[in-house]
Amino acid sequence: QSALTQPASVSGSPGQSITISCTGTSSDVGSYNLVSWYQQHPGKAPKLMIYEVSKRPSGVSNRFSGSKSGNTASLTISGLQAEDEADYYCCSYAGSSIWVFGGGTKLTVL
Amino acid sequence: EVQLVESGGGLVQPGRSLRLSCAASGFTFDDYAMHWVRQAPGKGLEWVSGISWNSGSIGYADSVKGRFTISRDNAKNSLYLQMNSLRAEDTALYYCAKGRKSSVVTSFDYWGQGTLVTVSS
Repeated sequence: QSALTQPASVSGSPGQSITISCTGTSSDVGSYNLVSWYQQHPGKAPKLMIYEVSKRPSGVSNRFSGSKSGNTASLTISGLQAEDEADYYCCSYAGSSIWVFGGGTKLTVL
Repeated sequence: EVQLVESGGGLVQPGRSLRLSCAASGFTFDDYAMHWVRQAPGKGLEWVSGISWNSGSIGYADSVKGRFTISRDNAKNSLYLQMNSLRAEDTALYYCAKGRKSSVVTSFDYWGQGTLVTVSS
């Protein structure tokens, strides 16, 4: 059960697009279309932004999108806004009723 | 409105035990899987344990296997985490999270505000 690998930080200017990668292995990300992404603002509980690789829960902006290729999943945020500044975590099912998170990525909106 | 309220955290000495609870409301509790996720101070999220709607499927992170036990009481709309042999590295904010479906093989769509566990002598 090793943590998924995410960049520690990414940044972008308002209106731009950014992509956060999440690299796992053939035992987790590569084996299941069960990658989810969570947004966490300081002092707040995480919020589900993407589930099953690319599906958006009701109420989540369509500026958020997800994809996967092989052992790497990605979260793309388009039309970056100030309120998008937060920590983002990927999470993947790893089999046998086990889940694993990524280390988290701090998004800074310049 | 879905509400998840954790309780039971506090300061505990290494090697001792603690039981966390999560009171759920606003949804049909026994239709959904539930999970515990923790976050050490200033660190990232770590999945701890998950349980299916009928307790038929349960999973644990390697870091807590054999020490922690997850359970649920559907009649009381409550989720529990029994934590034994606590270590300093178990110090974290513990979140209760609701699964999207009845199986543990589903992401977490609602989270509580967490209860803080501090393991220290």
